[in-house]
Amino acid sequence: DTAVSQTPKYLVTQMGNDKSIKCEQNLGHDTMYWYKQDSKKFLKIMFSYNNKELIINETVPNRFSPKSPDKAHLNLHINSLELGDSAVYFCASSQGTGQQPQHFGDGTRLSIL
Amino acid sequence: AQSVTQPDIHITVSEGASLELRCNYSYGATPYLFWYVQSPGQGLQLLLKYFSGDTLVQGIKGFEAEFKRSQSSFNLRKPSVHWSDAAEYFCAVGGYTGRRALTFGSGTRLQVQP
Repeated sequence: DTAVSQTPKYLVTQMGNDKSIKCEQNLGHDTMYWYKQDSKKFLKIMFSYNNKELIINETVPNRFSPKSPDKAHLNLHINSLELGDSAVYFCASSQGTGQQPQHFGDGTRLSIL
Repeated sequence: AQSVTQPDIHITVSEGASLELRCNYSYGATPYLFWYVQSPGQGLQLLLKYFSGDTLVQGIKGFEAEFKRSQSSFNLRKPSVHWSDAAEYFCAVGGYTGRRALTFGSGTRLQVQP
């Protein structure tokens, strides 16, 4: 039933490790996003894919690499994790133009030790 | 570039009292405006949206918002707050095709006193 699902919900790991977060949507949407929410709750776009094509790539370290195997999935791989990567990462999806609301997953809380 | 300002970081109201959360935006044309709510440990849930037409929009959970172009504002209101409304509220502006990502305000944390 879940419209946008992310796994895992919590991720605790050490500096320097590589980790991935997975996202799947069953809404039939053509656009998916990754947002980062910092400790002050500020939400910022990282990436956006439309029909598996990258359309937004904000100023994000190249240690972050999104991958979209199909329209329903958008994964986020992070290499060489740093303390500053600790945050909540949200996946979202929408259909069509910017007037369509985005549907969010429950987030993945990443903690770097 | 589009931007959103939520001037109130934290608001406390008594249960049953009315609520107004402020949001000001900056955008070159008529914006697409949204209000989302985030409960602790949860994702963001859409409360309401404005694209065009009637400037007073109704949302879920008894919320409404009014778009005022002259003031570049899109304030969220509720006539009577319930304890379950305690959460973080985000105003966001969306762009046109080609820039589909939302730009969020910094959020307003709502506390509800019994």
